[in-house]
Amino acid sequence: DAKTTQPTSMDCAEGRAANLPCNHSTISGNEYVYWYRQIHSQGPQYIIHGLKNNETNEMASLIITEDRKSSTLILPHATLRDTAVYYCIVRGYSGAGSYQLTFGKGTKLSVIP
Amino acid sequence: KAGVTQTPRYLIKTRGQQVTLSCSPISGHRSVSWYQQTPGQGLQFLFEYFSETQRNKGNFPGRFSGRQFSNSRSEMNVSTLELGDSALYLCASSTQQGLNTEAFFGQGTRLTVV
Repeated sequence: DAKTTQPTSMDCAEGRAANLPCNHSTISGNEYVYWYRQIHSQGPQYIIHGLKNNETNEMASLIITEDRKSSTLILPHATLRDTAVYYCIVRGYSGAGSYQLTFGKGTKLSVIP
Repeated sequence: KAGVTQTPRYLIKTRGQQVTLSCSPISGHRSVSWYQQTPGQGLQFLFEYFSETQRNKGNFPGRFSGRQFSNSRSEMNVSTLELGDSALYLCASSTQQGLNTEAFFGQGTRLTVV
């Protein structure tokens, strides 16, 4: 899997949009970008994923640059419950029929009242 | 629709003992993966199962093993427990294998080895 680079931490004011960047300059053409978040001591929660087009669901939007070397996760109106560690993952074929998720250290997002 | 269920939620074991953790995937999901999370190493891949076959294994010693049953439920076993095995063990399920398939995680089993 391609490696990703994320800021260690970010702050966001409650009610404002949270924009979380991720660099994945070595991504291959068939690899997907996934975002998960983990609230303290809970299991990671799936947020969104995409290949090359921008994606939106009820939780967030995913913006992938045209060259696919970076992406941004957007939480449109951050609330205190969005405080979590956000993981950007590039998912590729791991061999032997496996498609494991390889987690990095993620970005600790703190939503400030 | 019920989510991924992991049992037990919390477990305390003594060094040298063995432990079995259980994971019931979302109904209809056939792929199950296991991860270990520690403060020092973060989230690390343990195994991936699909149709009762182990597809891949992470860089863990042979004391860590697992299996998947015909109903897609999975168990993982750790033998001869060490203090360093204390961790949150997470299970994730997905409908099938593939790059374009979301994986959903359970709440994990918190294992403490004393």
